[in-house]
Amino acid sequence: EAGVTQFPSHSVIEKGQTVTLRCDPISGHDNLYWYRRVMGKEIKFLLHFVKESKQDESGMPNNRFLAERTGGTYSTLKVQPAELEDSGVYFCASSRKGTQWTEAFFGQGTRLTVV
Amino acid sequence: DAKTTQPNSMESNEEEPVHLPCNHSTISGTDYIHWYRQLPSQGPEYVIHGLTSNVNNRMASLAIAEDRKSSTLILHRATLRDAAVYYCILASYGNQGGKLIFGQGTELSVKP
Repeated sequence: EAGVTQFPSHSVIEKGQTVTLRCDPISGHDNLYWYRRVMGKEIKFLLHFVKESKQDESGMPNNRFLAERTGGTYSTLKVQPAELEDSGVYFCASSRKGTQWTEAFFGQGTRLTVV
Repeated sequence: DAKTTQPNSMESNEEEPVHLPCNHSTISGTDYIHWYRQLPSQGPEYVIHGLTSNVNNRMASLAIAEDRKSSTLILHRATLRDAAVYYCILASYGNQGGKLIFGQGTELSVKP
């Protein structure tokens, strides 16, 4: 079974540019999450999709961040325009929907550097 | 979200047991106790979780205090590949899934 896949693994962009991160969850996983770790800080929750619907987007830092999950499969996280403080590692995770808690599987992350 | 307290770092010798403590005095009745770990340059990885009873799996054991205000992750024989940051996380669960709130975690180093 393929794991959670994130593209690209690294991205270096200039301040003011746009970057789109992609996450391919494990097939059949309805839950998809985005997290990020900025320099020296803890891993922070950004948002949660159930299929194509946003279940919880309380962690999104501001309106420069836009997440989509059209068709309930892969998800994209767009940062427009990027700022220096957006630098960090962005993780995607997925889990099955169920009546009990299910394990979340994380991708390797995308390291974003804004210069 | 309820918070957890863990030591910043711990050291272990290879092939010896490791006990990683976690305090969660404000845990609620619906909170599950989860442990994840993050190896260098990788995403977090699920280790184990429990609610009230002690749990065992192929990776580790989870010992939960009777009052549920603390728990201990037990690695029975540490290997060099177990060097990682270990996170103790409390999370409630609804039928739509649940987010994880990460703290600083415990950085475990394993000496040969």
